Amino acid sequence: QKEVEQNSGPLSVPEGAIASLNCTYSDRGSQSFFWYRQYSGKSPELIMSIYSNGDKEDGRFTAQLNKASQYVSLLIRDSQPSDSATYLCAVRKSGAGSYQLTFGKGTKLSVIP
Amino acid sequence: DTAVSQTPKYLVTQMGNDKSIKCEQNLGHDTMYWYKQDSKKFLKIMFSYNNKELIINETVPNRFSPKSPDKAHLNLHINSLELGDSAVYFCASTPLSDSYGYTFGSGTRLTVV
Repeated sequence: QKEVEQNSGPLSVPEGAIASLNCTYSDRGSQSFFWYRQYSGKSPELIMSIYSNGDKEDGRFTAQLNKASQYVSLLIRDSQPSDSATYLCAVRKSGAGSYQLTFGKGTKLSVIP
Repeated sequence: DTAVSQTPKYLVTQMGNDKSIKCEQNLGHDTMYWYKQDSKKFLKIMFSYNNKELIINETVPNRFSPKSPDKAHLNLHINSLELGDSAVYFCASTPLSDSYGYTFGSGTRLTVV
């Protein structure tokens, strides 16, 4: 089983719709979870972090975490063409002194005008 | 500007050459990393380093070596470059805390011909 799994996509949604991006992870002791957005030819940019079960909202973005199911998701409401990018899920493993992130392969999102 | 800066942005070189990529962060972060992103956008850890410990991903060939003159710098030296080394290399940094994601540099696109 891969450590962090995401559907590679592409995921296409119409402008104004809700985009739902999903991620599962294998290390049950993982503590911290992050979503990065990467535009083509650019570096990853942190957009959301979540540490506790439940939802965390920031503007049009909502991160959802379910540690029992080892599942984390990102919802983008009112999707805009500028949201078209690859979204990377990252997980910080448990363990003292371990600050390393493990990334999924990313989901490519296309928002169609 | 506070940032993680990498140089050069593009690097084209012949097989067998030795090259270095430089990374500097002025964020006061404690830990720095090198990641390799292949053509399928998969970000894979190569090294993590703070002023106390170097952690090497065991799958990284020993042709790759990190060099850290001080806490703010982590350079990547590559010997005997091969075609398969062509990728985008990202430097990143983070504080010693579970609550923060990475700040990435802008990346170095290495092309070996």
